[in-house]
Amino acid sequence: GAVVSQHPSWVICKSGTSVKIECRSLDFQATTMFWYRQFPKQSLMLMATSNEGSKATYEQGVEKDKFLINHASLTLSTLTVTSAHPEDSSFYICSAIAFARQVMNTEAFFGQGTRLTVV
Amino acid sequence: AQSVTQLGSHVSVSEGALVLLRCNYSSSVPPYLFWYVQYPNQGLQLLLKYTTGATLVKGINGFEAEFKKSETSFHLTKPSAHMSDAAEYFCAVSDVFDDMRFGAGTRLTVKP
Repeated sequence: GAVVSQHPSWVICKSGTSVKIECRSLDFQATTMFWYRQFPKQSLMLMATSNEGSKATYEQGVEKDKFLINHASLTLSTLTVTSAHPEDSSFYICSAIAFARQVMNTEAFFGQGTRLTVV
Repeated sequence: AQSVTQLGSHVSVSEGALVLLRCNYSSSVPPYLFWYVQYPNQGLQLLLKYTTGATLVKGINGFEAEFKKSETSFHLTKPSAHMSDAAEYFCAVSDVFDDMRFGAGTRLTVKP
């Protein structure tokens, strides 16, 4: 089945530095990718929708200058957390959408997630 | 490590019929369990979640799920399907120590 690779799976960085997280669709082209954030004991929060070749659409309350999203190709989207602070520590997960011919509809696949710890 | 298995990648029901989407989980600690729905080209939407307390959880759009520890299950049900319920549904597991893990998803088709 389709695979989405998210890298790194975990990262520790110093406060004030930037961290880039990659989300790749390995065997399909994803026109749309989503970025989510999970807080402890809570459900996922959609951060932004990323469409290839265009600017990401951010959800209300998400700072687009802090969470930079680039979707330069049909197989790669990146999330860069700029000037990270401890409150940015969280679990980030991406999802890619593929069109499945057998059901003539879209299907979603998830990356493994990235645990970011800012110290 | 935790994991989730969704039985049936595709489920088809008639409008008005019962919807049953199956989810079994594996967890070494008490789990938090979630059901999400995804409509085409949209992000996940939380249907319901179980953390502690009552094992029968009611969610949005008439959906509910029951946590059965003895069966390690968290099946999603709705008494009467509506055309607008056609979507992809994901079961997920998490806990206070671990991060969210998803099932492979179940595509629900509703026939008129």
